[in-house]
Amino acid sequence: DARVTQTPRHKVTEMGQEVTMRCQPILGHNTVFWYRQTMMQGLELLAYFRNRAPLDDSGMPKDRFSAEMPDATLATLKIQPSEPRDSAVYFCASGLTADGKGAADTQYFGPGTRLTVL
Amino acid sequence: DQQVKQNSPSLSVQEGRISILNCDYTNSMFDYFLWYKKYPAEGPTFLISISSIKDKNEDGRFTVFLNKSAKHLSLHIVPSQPGDSAVYFCASGYKAAGNKLTFGGGTRVLVKP
Repeated sequence: DARVTQTPRHKVTEMGQEVTMRCQPILGHNTVFWYRQTMMQGLELLAYFRNRAPLDDSGMPKDRFSAEMPDATLATLKIQPSEPRDSAVYFCASGLTADGKGAADTQYFGPGTRLTVL
Repeated sequence: DQQVKQNSPSLSVQEGRISILNCDYTNSMFDYFLWYKKYPAEGPTFLISISSIKDKNEDGRFTVFLNKSAKHLSLHIVPSQPGDSAVYFCASGYKAAGNKLTFGGGTRVLVKP
């Protein structure tokens, strides 16, 4: 039963601290997405990778957020320094583009990391 | 600029009746549309999709309708069951954007026994 895994599931931290969230995409998938869900904004796309290369991070606050894929089995989202307004649920999703060039297709979501910044 | 909108934040329906969820979009380039279902403390799960070359797609109790001229899609759940109580997101994408999807704000559905 292939699924996207995310760690940690919950994180409580203090303002100013560094937060790292991890995601293991489904084996064989070539696209990875980071989303943030807040009460006000619904699901916002933060970053998007295809074949480990970052394609779009326009939704991400550049000064404090960074996203990487050190290898095909790990994606990370880092916030440094964290602020209370970063409190949200962060989802990772992975997918497989059928033609390798990018065709809109189904994304499979992990369970999310609930972040609380005090 | 909300390119995908779900104007009803919540919906309550009696078990056995039809649930109709609506979604409007503004970007005429969208050629692929999906519905996701989300339970509390879980990630969204894929439910059903439709491409722009079709106007209807059915999967069991779930049917998605697409009206391209109106830039509107809807999800029908018939009959509704208590286990369908969840938040439903519509999402849209297009080929040139790769797998990138734009999500609506979600509609919370409550199915009463």
